[in-house]
Amino acid sequence: GAGVSQSPSNKVTEKGKDVELRCDPISGHTALYWYRQSLGQGLEFLIYFQGNSAPDKSGLPSDRFSAERTGGSVSTLTIQRTQQEDSAVYLCASSSDWYEQYFGPGTRLTVT
Amino acid sequence: GENVEQHPSTLSVQEGDSAVIKCTYSDSASNYFPWYKQELGKRPQLIIDIRSNVGEKKDQRIAVTLNKTAKHFSLHITETQPEDSAVYFCAAPSGIFGKGTTLSVSS
Repeated sequence: GAGVSQSPSNKVTEKGKDVELRCDPISGHTALYWYRQSLGQGLEFLIYFQGNSAPDKSGLPSDRFSAERTGGSVSTLTIQRTQQEDSAVYLCASSSDWYEQYFGPGTRLTVT
Repeated sequence: GENVEQHPSTLSVQEGDSAVIKCTYSDSASNYFPWYKQELGKRPQLIIDIRSNVGEKKDQRIAVTLNKTAKHFSLHITETQPEDSAVYFCAAPSGIFGKGTTLSVSS
């Protein structure tokens, strides 16, 4: 079946602009995660959605970052007033019941 | 919150040698312990996982061992091959990942 998809695959934006990154999880997966990965670095946890529970936003680096998940499916990560340090690959993953995470291909964000 | 520490950060071995990567976690309620492999330019993929009701799990050349008392679990790769070269991550159920281990296998 279809895996996790993300769009766009690449995004180049100017400093100060807002961007929206989209994640389509595997159908039926209740958990959805967003991560940020800078070049050669690890996976930085950003936010976690589980079913209808309040999301765990503890990893969001600043109030410029926000995310929502509509209807328990598609999620959008929004970065306002982008800064150069926001440049990274943003990965989305979904899972059922806290187990194996299936990752999307990521969105490469470049802030110029 | 949950803390996950992974060691070593880099590991270089000769083809055919064994490699061991260790992960320590802080939440004693954790009951699921996965290892992910990320090849260059690709997304992370699960390679092996273990639930807290067992102490060891094997899948061909890879194995994971769990010590719940000490709160650590380890990835063991035997008879390493060049294609094992990648970054390996452990994770907690909360979504927190270790910082990764870059494994280099030279032939």
